[in-house]
This record gives sequence, structure tokens and C-alpha cells, in this order.
Amino acid sequence: AQTVTQSQPEMSVQEAETVTLSCTYDTSESDYYLFWYKQPPSRQMILVIRQEAYKQQNATENRFSVNFQKAAKSFSLKISDSQLGDAAMYFCAYSPGTASKLTFGTGTRLQVTL
Amino acid sequence: GAVVSQHPSWVICKSGTSVKIECRSLDFQATTMFWYRQFPKQSLMLMATSNEGSKATYEQGVEKDKFLINHASLTLSTLTVTSAHPEDSSFYICSARPTATLGNTIYFGEGSWLTVV
Repeated sequence: AQTVTQSQPEMSVQEAETVTLSCTYDTSESDYYLFWYKQPPSRQMILVIRQEAYKQQNATENRFSVNFQKAAKSFSLKISDSQLGDAAMYFCAYSPGTASKLTFGTGTRLQVTL
Repeated sequence: GAVVSQHPSWVICKSGTSVKIECRSLDFQATTMFWYRQFPKQSLMLMATSNEGSKATYEQGVEKDKFLINHASLTLSTLTVTSAHPEDSSFYICSARPTATLGNTIYFGEGSWLTVV
């Protein structure tokens, strides 16, 4: 069974600084997708970034980028120039192939301070 | 962008009654939808995969007779919590994958809070 581990229950970052959230996963599949989702207090799940396992290039979306280390099964999220609106729960998630069902990590609560 | 709507957003029901939650894809067809449950301060746990025109596939430990899933059309899946009890109180959220989309694009609903009193 696939597992996703987020070892940081809480993280804090000052506004305009950079923070990295960690995620590791375990799978025997060769084709899969990895995601970072943001969940603000509204509970709406917002896709932050997505990485296809077959792509060696790390995904980037504006201030958000990932460090995807396939051999180490590591998928960390870097948030640059942190903003107050970035404060939320962040979930790392795994999906095998195109099955679309997600296995989530336990989440990291990110606080952004002035 | 694609929209997935859940209804109701909030529901309170008495213990022993049944409650239905709808998950609707508003601007795309979804052969497959997924239902998740999230307890307070915890992660999302997949409950079942809802397949249009066929039986849902339940995850291990999820009672299929208690959590009835119906996917009668390409835009609607329903989750019915039968004989609800206070321990069923939770946040339920669905997701859908457009049938016509290649790759792994997934859209989430806004979620539904269920409180059983």
C-alpha cells in the first residue's frame, strides 16, 4: 500500500521569507503523480502544484516549487516570498497512474508571521 | 475552471436518521468520483470510489451498507449516511476527474459538514 509521510506538523515562516515543507512517500509503482494541496480554514482543497513521476524536471508555479527526488521518494514544497495568504494546512498527496484517487499525508500547518 | 459542487454545505441530523450529500460536476462529465472523510485536525481519508453506472468500490474498513454511494449520472454522485450516529459527524468532501481529460486533473467540491445529534 502506498503511504505518504509529512514529518512536520507545524511550520512557521516570516512574511517574504522562504519555507520548505517536507514529504516522503512509499510506492512500488513506476507511474504516479504527486501533489501539494492547500486547505485554508474554509476547508476548500486548492491544488498548489503537481508533479508527474516520469518528468525529471521539478514543477514550478510562480512562488511555489518542488524538489522531487524520485530515488529517495521525496517531494518537498518550497514557498518563496511567503505571504500572509499562504497560511493554511498543506497536504502532500500521491496518486497511482491516472487512477485519480489520492492518498494524503497528515498535513503541515503553515503559519506566516509579520 | 471546472467546478464541483456539494450540497448541502452543512447538515445537522438526529441520531438514527439518514442523510444524503450530493456531489455534482457542473461543467464536465465525470465517470469517476471519489468520497473522502476528514475528521477535525486530521487528514483526508478516501472512503470509496464512485463509478457511474456500477457499484462503488469501498476502501478497507468502510461499511458499504452504512455509506451508500450512488452514481446515477455522469455529473452526480450521492453519499447517503444511513442510521447516522454521532461518531459519523465529520467533514465529507468529494472529488471528480473529468472523463475527457488526459492525465490526472482532479477537482474537489467545497465539502459538507455533517453533525449528528
